[in-house]
Amino acid sequence: GAVVSQHPSRVICKSGTSVKIECRSLDFQATTMFWYRQFPKQSLMLMATSNEGSKATYEQGVEKDKFLINHASLTLSTLTVTSAHPEDSSFYICSAPLAGTSGEQYFGPGTRLTVT
Amino acid sequence: TQLLEQSPQFLSIQEGENLTVYCNSSSVFSSLQWYRQEPGEGPVLLVTVVTGGEVKKLKRLTFQFGDARKDSSLHITAAQPGDTGLYLCGGNNNDMRFGAGTRLTVKP
Repeated sequence: GAVVSQHPSRVICKSGTSVKIECRSLDFQATTMFWYRQFPKQSLMLMATSNEGSKATYEQGVEKDKFLINHASLTLSTLTVTSAHPEDSSFYICSAPLAGTSGEQYFGPGTRLTVT
Repeated sequence: TQLLEQSPQFLSIQEGENLTVYCNSSSVFSSLQWYRQEPGEGPVLLVTVVTGGEVKKLKRLTFQFGDARKDSSLHITAAQPGDTGLYLCGGNNNDMRFGAGTRLTVKP
């Protein structure tokens, strides 16, 4: 199967700082990637759709100026949490669809963000 | 509101029991995927169903896609502790939307 990596796997930052999370498709190209956040014991909530070479599409209620997404290449999307606050602490997961399949998504292992 | 409704939300059973998890929607999907997620990890794809009425088997797991492609079920036979996890169904119509998940615990 296709492999998606995320970096870092865990990050702790102080309130007010910014954190960048990388999502890479290792053995396939992805013109689109998706970013989710997941709170403890809850399901995945779609934050935004990252589009290679164009602006990301954000879900309703997600602040685009706070969660900056850059999809600069066909294998890399980044999510930057700007001016992080404790309420941004969550598990962030990215996924990428594999072309030629019926919409199969391959997920990264997730990034645990803790804002102190 | 969830586009996809999963039930039950929580399920705790003994090893060896059978169970069924449901995924329902009012929307028609071109395909539907089932994933399992373990704590602290990303979801892992189990199966994709595409054709209405399709049945797929993966060892002790049986997946069925409804005839109208609006719902799906996952049946596990003789559950084992290793089956413990969050089961998510995802419907695909240009983007992927997930149900709230079924959190399964299988006790030894």
